[in-house]
Amino acid sequence: VQLVESGGGLVQPGGSLRLSCAASGFAFDSYAMSWVRQAPGKGLEWVSSISGFGGTTYYADSVKGRFTISRDNSKNTLYLQMDSLRAEDTAVYYCAKIVSRNWGLLDFWGQGTLVTVSS
Amino acid sequence: ETVLTQSPGTLSLSPGERATVSCRASQRVSTSFLAWYQQKPGQAPRLLIYETSSRATGIPDRFSGSGSGTDFTLTISRLEPEDFGVFYCQQYGTSPLFGQGTKLEIK
Repeated sequence: VQLVESGGGLVQPGGSLRLSCAASGFAFDSYAMSWVRQAPGKGLEWVSSISGFGGTTYYADSVKGRFTISRDNSKNTLYLQMDSLRAEDTAVYYCAKIVSRNWGLLDFWGQGTLVTVSS
Repeated sequence: ETVLTQSPGTLSLSPGERATVSCRASQRVSTSFLAWYQQKPGQAPRLLIYETSSRATGIPDRFSGSGSGTDFTLTISRLEPEDFGVFYCQQYGTSPLFGQGTKLEIK
């Protein structure tokens, strides 16, 4: 299993960014996926999850209405569209594979991509 | 909303000693939905324990989990030098929640 995030960078408050997570080594469309973030020097915060075929999504209250999780199973890629970004969204964003039939239980993680929201 | 509180904040122990990390929930948590992760500096978290006491694939048997209701424990029976890092408990489900973390330092 390999998960490789990309798309992080510096963005101004109010701006947008789209993160990608390229997956390999497993049947991507058979597994739900999640995004989890970690602010600098802080703990882990779950952000969003999506089912294998993309029909079911969940969001943390802190990002609901601003972030959109999606996936393209033909490309084995997970996305996180982040709009109306705030300084408090600054974090390393990890994508992670969800254990089958266990929402939120994360057995493989990528190495993360850093998002910095600052003017 | 459930809050997971871990203690202690930092643990400093020597190789061979026993480490115990506590995770207390503000509301009852099903044992089916409690996990532990380890994160080393600059690395992604690694799943250690799920369903309170089941070890993930490849996790040594010196790691064990226990508990029920609102009190859960991660125990490392005999510390190895590579066991340092920050440990997080997690209530998983459709709205997962993490504890704030416990840092384990190896003397």
